[in-house]
Amino acid sequence: DAGITQSPRYKITETGRQVTLMCHQTWSHSYMFWYRQDLGHGLRLIYYSAAADITDKGEVPDGYVVSRSKTENFPLTLESATRSQTSVYFCASRVGVSQPQHFGDGTRLSIL
Amino acid sequence: TQLLEQSPQFLSIQEGENLTVYCNSSSVFSSLQWYRQEPGEGPVLLVTVVTGGEVKKLKRLTFQFGDARKDSSLHITAAQTGDTGLYLCAGGRGSARQLTFGSGTQLTVLP
Repeated sequence: DAGITQSPRYKITETGRQVTLMCHQTWSHSYMFWYRQDLGHGLRLIYYSAAADITDKGEVPDGYVVSRSKTENFPLTLESATRSQTSVYFCASRVGVSQPQHFGDGTRLSIL
Repeated sequence: TQLLEQSPQFLSIQEGENLTVYCNSSSVFSSLQWYRQEPGEGPVLLVTVVTGGEVKKLKRLTFQFGDARKDSSLHITAAQTGDTGLYLCAGGRGSARQLTFGSGTQLTVLP
């Protein structure tokens, strides 16, 4: 089915390890976004991308790295995971600036 | 600092009652969106408002964008148990219309 998929859905890891969360969309949307959702904070933007090879920082980018070599993929990497990065991570995509944003079902990440 | 303040944070009401959720900011947004989120899923867009003073209706839900495009409200008439969920407002700004989300309102409608 067409859509936006995130993997894995659940991940447990230890502090200091590198973790990569995957996001894949089949619509060829130009814009892609990574958010984290924490209780009391709503969703906060980590990074976004307007097109392949174009990425920009959001509200909370520290400790995260993104890349976008292909339009359909937008992986998020935690280079050295910390407990404060325990969260639910959502990927989203959008075809254009003023179009609706579509979200994946999230990755629940726990860092011990 | 939360740019968008949502209130109330939690709301528990009986089926059939009316309710209003508020989304306020000191910043101007080019657009304001409302999402609903179920447990274990991503947010799903309900509506987008772009013009100051705009009112949109979606069945029993009425959305309003403030005249100055700094605030918005969501009114639900005759709530049903199926309305239960997390309601999020999000303001769009910047060249990519990046969204800034409010902290959400957890609505529970009791039978």
